Amino acid sequence: GAGVSQTPSNKVTEKGKYVELRCDPISGHTALYWYRQSLGQGPEFLIYFQGTGAADDSGLPNDRFFAVRPEGSVSTLKIQRTERGDSAVYLCASSPYGSEADTQYFGPGTRLTVL
Amino acid sequence: QKEVEQNSGPLSVPEGAIASLNCTYSDRGSQSFFWYRQYSGKSPELIMSIYSNGDKEDGRFTAQLNKASQYVSLLIRDSQPSDSATYLCAGTGGGSQGNLIFGKGTKLSVKP
Repeated sequence: GAGVSQTPSNKVTEKGKYVELRCDPISGHTALYWYRQSLGQGPEFLIYFQGTGAADDSGLPNDRFFAVRPEGSVSTLKIQRTERGDSAVYLCASSPYGSEADTQYFGPGTRLTVL
Repeated sequence: QKEVEQNSGPLSVPEGAIASLNCTYSDRGSQSFFWYRQYSGKSPELIMSIYSNGDKEDGRFTAQLNKASQYVSLLIRDSQPSDSATYLCAGTGGGSQGNLIFGKGTKLSVKP
């Protein structure tokens, strides 16, 4: 079956611009996670959705970052006034129920480069 | 600060040998642990999950969990060149359902 998909696969933008990254989870998965991964590091948690609501946004680094999941399926991560330090691979994952025992399935990621 | 620590490597083993990857975690509230494999330029894919103390075997892979020592390991038997990748250890964040805390990963190289 179809896995987690993310678009775009690559995004190059200029400092100060606004970007949107999209995640389409596995059909039927109620939980959706955003992580970001810098070179040589493990993924770093950003935000977790259970259905339409953000159950935990404690990983968002500052108020320039925002994410939505209006219909409980597709999610968009929005970054305002991008900075060079935002450059990373943004990974989306989904899991069936969001429980601690659930496996999270990762999408291919969006590589964001801020010039 | 909840942390998962891994030796970044690189760990180099000859083909057919056993590769041993180790991980420690700081949060005693973490209940579930996962090993992901990540090839260069690709996204993480699950290798093993483990929730209780002891060993869990799946094919050539064995995960071990010791909650008293806050230690997780992954053994890969009969290592193959195709096993060459970065292995990420992750634990759940304790109070937050499902939120994974990852280590930096251990780079494994299996030499033919």
